[in-house]
Amino acid sequence: DTAVSQTPKYLVTQMGNDKSIKCEQNLGHDTMYWYKQDSKKFLKIMFSYNNKELIINETVPNRFSPKSPDKAHLNLHINSLELGDSAVYFCASSPHLTGGAGNTIYFGEGSWLTVV
Amino acid sequence: DAKTTQPPSMDCAEGRAANLPCNHSTISGNEYVYWYRQIHSQGPQYIIHGLKNNETNEMASLIITEDRKSSTLILPHATLRDTAVYYCIVRGGSGGSNYKLTFGKGTLLTVNP
Repeated sequence: DTAVSQTPKYLVTQMGNDKSIKCEQNLGHDTMYWYKQDSKKFLKIMFSYNNKELIINETVPNRFSPKSPDKAHLNLHINSLELGDSAVYFCASSPHLTGGAGNTIYFGEGSWLTVV
Repeated sequence: DAKTTQPPSMDCAEGRAANLPCNHSTISGNEYVYWYRQIHSQGPQYIIHGLKNNETNEMASLIITEDRKSSTLILPHATLRDTAVYYCIVRGGSGGSNYKLTFGKGTLLTVNP
């Protein structure tokens, strides 16, 4: 069983469209994240949710709106897609919010978004 | 911003030990050293973490210097499937900005046959 799963794995869409990426974790974790990896391969955090509450929003444009219906799911909705949104988006989860021993963050396999 | 410094690339012969260094000279007392790797087209994979003692698991060993300003990840018998970008990350123990992993550029380890 995949611990952190994302769908779709690949998504090609036109500029201006609205799309969503779904994420689910079956680890019983309280905290979930979205990371973005751009063409230069830098991995940067976008959002963090803890028990459905937004904790981190790393100056991401308002076109990106995360939604957490329950603590096992964190979906990413993107409005009015732009060419620069093309990237790989990784969902992740950890047992709880704070760091320390045992609070390892586990990543999904990524969703490849291409905006044309 | 990443608090670690790693060489951009390293090579290793298959079957030999791969030793990946990391400098984290500004690490503070409650910060852990985490190692992740990212194999091409996959999500980052957790390898190991430590605070001040050396750690070993089924994947690797982590050696942290006594002053905690640097560490080395050791893959004892590298295989071709270990070719990946390896990230050394410093992450706090509690409170503050510990919610996230801040990735640097990492080290591209290439294991050669």
